[in-house]
Amino acid sequence: SQQGEEDPQALSIQEGENATMNCSYKTSINNLQWYRQNSGRGLVHLILIRSNEREKHSGRLRVTLDTSKKSSSLLITASRAADTASYFCATVSYNNNDMRFGAGTRLTVKP
Amino acid sequence: DSGVTQTPKHLITATGQRVTLRCSPRSGDLSVYWYQQSLDQGLQFLIQYYNGEERAKGNILERFSAQQFPDLHSELNLSSLELGDSALYFCASSVGTSGISYNEQFFGPGTRLTVL
Repeated sequence: SQQGEEDPQALSIQEGENATMNCSYKTSINNLQWYRQNSGRGLVHLILIRSNEREKHSGRLRVTLDTSKKSSSLLITASRAADTASYFCATVSYNNNDMRFGAGTRLTVKP
Repeated sequence: DSGVTQTPKHLITATGQRVTLRCSPRSGDLSVYWYQQSLDQGLQFLIQYYNGEERAKGNILERFSAQQFPDLHSELNLSSLELGDSALYFCASSVGTSGISYNEQFFGPGTRLTVL
């Protein structure tokens, strides 16, 4: 079963715009991770944020985590057509022995 | 290329059969993870092995089993297959220690299983 829920389910933007995806979860976590998946291919790890962190940056990616609201957001700035993919959040349980994925956000960046 | 290899790429079989999926982790990675991705269930974590021992278990059915061998490659065995087992099965590896690691996981290209 899935723990996280991403919204929106689908997002379509123009190249150069920013894209924001949100993830909500239900139980206590050890860390939260964001992944990208191009159609039918393996996942690519983007960023990991621990439960005691509030914000992390990696290149054009910015992730925030609000454990009080059990939510996270992924911001992609200055999007490119190559960013077109599905993005998943995954939560690792507080006891570090389970990992749950959300349903994903399908991002389309139009050139 | 993540460095994780999975075989076969595609597998077509019938209900009731048993199949084995194979995964070779990146050189130096001790942890192997198995995931199932289907339209119905989405992405699900199945199981993690670290250096030959089971370390974490997710939504893995009793009909499914896995193991990690001394050379660190892993196999996922699926038995008494049902139509609903049709899915993409991914393997990932990481340097990681016990539990689901803090380390980045590197995913293989997946095995697409079709049960007819």
